[in-house]
Amino acid sequence: SQQGEEDPQALSIQEGENATMNCSYKTSINNLQWYRQNSGRGLVHLILIRSNEREKHSGRLRVTLDTSKKSSSLLITASRAADTASYFCATDMDSNYQLIWGAGTKLIIKP
Amino acid sequence: KAGVTQTPRYLIKTRGQQVTLSCSPISGHRSVSWYQQTPGQGLQFLFEYFSETQRNKGNFPGRFSGRQFSNSRSEMNVSTLELGDSALYLCASSRGTGQASYEQYFGPGTRLTVT
Repeated sequence: SQQGEEDPQALSIQEGENATMNCSYKTSINNLQWYRQNSGRGLVHLILIRSNEREKHSGRLRVTLDTSKKSSSLLITASRAADTASYFCATDMDSNYQLIWGAGTKLIIKP
Repeated sequence: KAGVTQTPRYLIKTRGQQVTLSCSPISGHRSVSWYQQTPGQGLQFLFEYFSETQRNKGNFPGRFSGRQFSNSRSEMNVSTLELGDSALYLCASSRGTGQASYEQYFGPGTRLTVT
């Protein structure tokens, strides 16, 4: 069963622009994680945000969590060609700490 | 620290055969999870092991099994292979059990093709 769903499915922007991806989920969560996958480095963890947190930063990445709307967003600022990848959100369900993954957003950064 | 390693990286098998995939977690990590990734179904959880015990299992048939050894290395086995088992199999390790609570470190995957 799919808990998190990313939006948009695909995004193409110019290098240097900001990219925003969204993740919506259906039931209460304990934690939400964002991952990136590209052919070069495989699947890599980006940020873990807990249900009692509203925002987290890591370098050019900013993740927000709105539990009232059951949604999260990932913002990548000043995008680079190396950011070209698929981005996944993964959530648990309140009573179960197993991760359930969305289908991902495919991000393409044009030079 | 060495990352998660998976062997073999590529595998071609025939329908009906069985296959064993291996995963070595990051040193000190006691939790190992396995995932199947396909273009149609995305990333699907297979099972999680922690301290040699299966802690969680996804919705896969009994043909898919796994185990974890005392050194935290893990293997997964698929018996009676079907064409639909063709996929990238990913292994991830983490410090603790309860996947959502810990960041998962993924290996490069094993690409299994069933003909």
